[in-house]
Amino acid sequence: SQTIHQWPATLVQPVGSPLSLECTVEGTSNPNLYWYRQAAGRGLQLLFYSVGIGQISSEVPQNLSASRPQDRQFILSSKKLLLSDSGFYLCAWSVLAGGLDTQYFGPGTRLTVL
Amino acid sequence: AQKVTQAQTEISVVEKEDVTLDCVYETRDTTYYLFWYKQPPSGELVFLIRRNSFDEQNEISGRYSWNFQKSTSSFNFTITASQVVDSAVYFCALSGFFSGNTPLVFGKGTRLSVIA
Repeated sequence: SQTIHQWPATLVQPVGSPLSLECTVEGTSNPNLYWYRQAAGRGLQLLFYSVGIGQISSEVPQNLSASRPQDRQFILSSKKLLLSDSGFYLCAWSVLAGGLDTQYFGPGTRLTVL
Repeated sequence: AQKVTQAQTEISVVEKEDVTLDCVYETRDTTYYLFWYKQPPSGELVFLIRRNSFDEQNEISGRYSWNFQKSTSSFNFTITASQVVDSAVYFCALSGFFSGNTPLVFGKGTRLSVIA
């Protein structure tokens, strides 16, 4: 069966510090991978998605970047965090099959920028 | 453009009551998929159901049921005999027929509180 891991689970960082959040998927090959952010009291905002190694699509211009160095690894980064980067970050995976692409989510990382 | 509207921001019910969460969507695609996810206090989104636009049959899974009506572009979710463990934020989502680069569009979610 497939599992998805995210770490760390929680993170408190000062403004201006760098960020690296990691997401890995097990039990599947060539998944689509996604990063979402959920700000307090708000819905889900898609940040990045990737259909393959080195292929990253950005949905909104922002202070963050994503990379996919391996097939089942997706990393969210920032060089200098802003207060507005605080939120709950969710990674998701899916496998395209017959035009259907159900996304399954990881446990999330709660980021607080002070 | 695709859009999902969950007009109910928050709902409170007493345990054992039935509750319906509304979802209205907009899309120009003729083939599309609809989803419901549950987000308990722990934060992880849990996949509940997926329906395709060709299948308007209602679905029941235990205390959960879903009513898909293409004529009104709605995909409502009903919990029968609600329990405290049903307390969560519920998201409705929409996707097109994937070509590998069409992500999900989520509604803003409905927070359900079930009171003992």
